Amino acid sequence: EEELVESGGGLVKPGGSLRLSCAASGFTFTNAWMGWVRQAPGKGLEWVGRIKSKVDGGTTDHAAPVKDRFTISRDDSENKLYLQMNILKTEDTAIYYCTTDYYYDSDGRQLDYWGRGTLVTVSS
Amino acid sequence: SYELKQPPSVSVSPGQTARITCSGDALPKKYVSWYQQKSGQAPVLVMYEDTRRPSGIPERFSGSSSGTMATLTVSGAQVEDEADYYCYSTDSTNNHRVFGGGTKLTVL
Repeated sequence: EEELVESGGGLVKPGGSLRLSCAASGFTFTNAWMGWVRQAPGKGLEWVGRIKSKVDGGTTDHAAPVKDRFTISRDDSENKLYLQMNILKTEDTAIYYCTTDYYYDSDGRQLDYWGRGTLVTVSS
Repeated sequence: SYELKQPPSVSVSPGQTARITCSGDALPKKYVSWYQQKSGQAPVLVMYEDTRRPSGIPERFSGSSSGTMATLTVSGAQVEDEADYYCYSTDSTNNHRVFGGGTKLTVL
């Protein structure tokens, strides 16, 4: 069964750093573009960024509010996705979800997986 | 920055048809997906590429797109369809993904 499991969330002071991990299983991780989506308490969904598969270049894109502070990376040998978050701000407080950004099966159907999320709280 | 606009709320009685709209300048060029999120749960994809329904999503969910507006239709809405719905598409200038602000669907 397909599964994404995030870890690494917690309480951090403004200006601090945190690294989130996402362990993937049950699907061909190397073929998937992977991403992070966040949701502040009581707010809507916000796209954080994504990393393409190695075969599609392995490049990253980050949303404007996190660009130059957050970095997405992947380790295909471990089937893991990462989000390095630096210079954290109170407005970064949110549940962070690991997702498949772009992943299709051999019949051309999109397969969409989400983790349960990990809570990041930025507060002094 | 690119925005997708949704009504904050839509309300219907059980068995009625609910329509949730999403407007964006790039929609004539970019596909729309729709997510359903129930309280305390991760989002679930209910429509992608404007009109395609993922496996396991009931047939009462359908999608359409014309010009700068996309619509998610729930025909014969059920109480269990109560949730927040988000449209999702791509900014044509930088290929970044964007979510709409979300629509709370009430069925009662």
